[in-house]
Amino acid sequence: AQSVAQPEDQVNVAEGNPLTVKCTYSVSGNPYLFWYVQYPNRGLQFLLKYITGDNLVKGSYGFEAEFNKSQTSFHLKKPSALVSDSALYFCAVSPLGSASKIIFGSGTRLSIRP
Amino acid sequence: DAGVIQSPRHEVTEMGQEVTLRCKPISGHNSLFWYRQTMMRGLELLIYFNNNVPIDDSGMPEDRFSAKMPNASFSTLKIQPSEPRDSAVYFCASSYGQGEYSNQPQHFGDGTRLSIL
Repeated sequence: AQSVAQPEDQVNVAEGNPLTVKCTYSVSGNPYLFWYVQYPNRGLQFLLKYITGDNLVKGSYGFEAEFNKSQTSFHLKKPSALVSDSALYFCAVSPLGSASKIIFGSGTRLSIRP
Repeated sequence: DAGVIQSPRHEVTEMGQEVTLRCKPISGHNSLFWYRQTMMRGLELLIYFNNNVPIDDSGMPEDRFSAKMPNASFSTLKIQPSEPRDSAVYFCASSYGQGEYSNQPQHFGDGTRLSIL
């Protein structure tokens, strides 16, 4: 079965420290991978995507993600966290042949303390 | 670009009433998705359309739920009759998908917060 796992429900980081939000996936073939962020009372917003090429993808708000095919992971990272980064983060995968469908993970709540 | 527009933003109604949620996707997008988000179940895909045709409705909870997309610029999600367990935030999203491949992100509306008393 095709799936996405976010093993941490919550990640707590001090402002200014690096952050990592983990994501692993299980799909057949080479998937397209996405990260989204959700702020309170808002819809999900696209952050970045991996399609092909360089394993390190840069996105909005200083975020980046590293694609690791051997570990089937796509972890979200940021070198220096801001309090305003506090939100709910979703990893998602679009398997080839899915006709636009995206499978979302369960979400990780990121909390940045001042 | 106005983004995906959903209405109403909030809806409070009594059990047994019919509820209709509306969505206007981004112009030019050919795929439209309806999701439901709750604390208990997270984000669930209910149904999605491609070129106004329903492709996968396996996530629709039961016959009380129905969705239509009469044209490329409008979709509705209807619940009849509504029940308290339908209380959730319902999101509409749109994207551009070509054939069976989609490397384009989905764009979400800000949702409808539905409360069934």
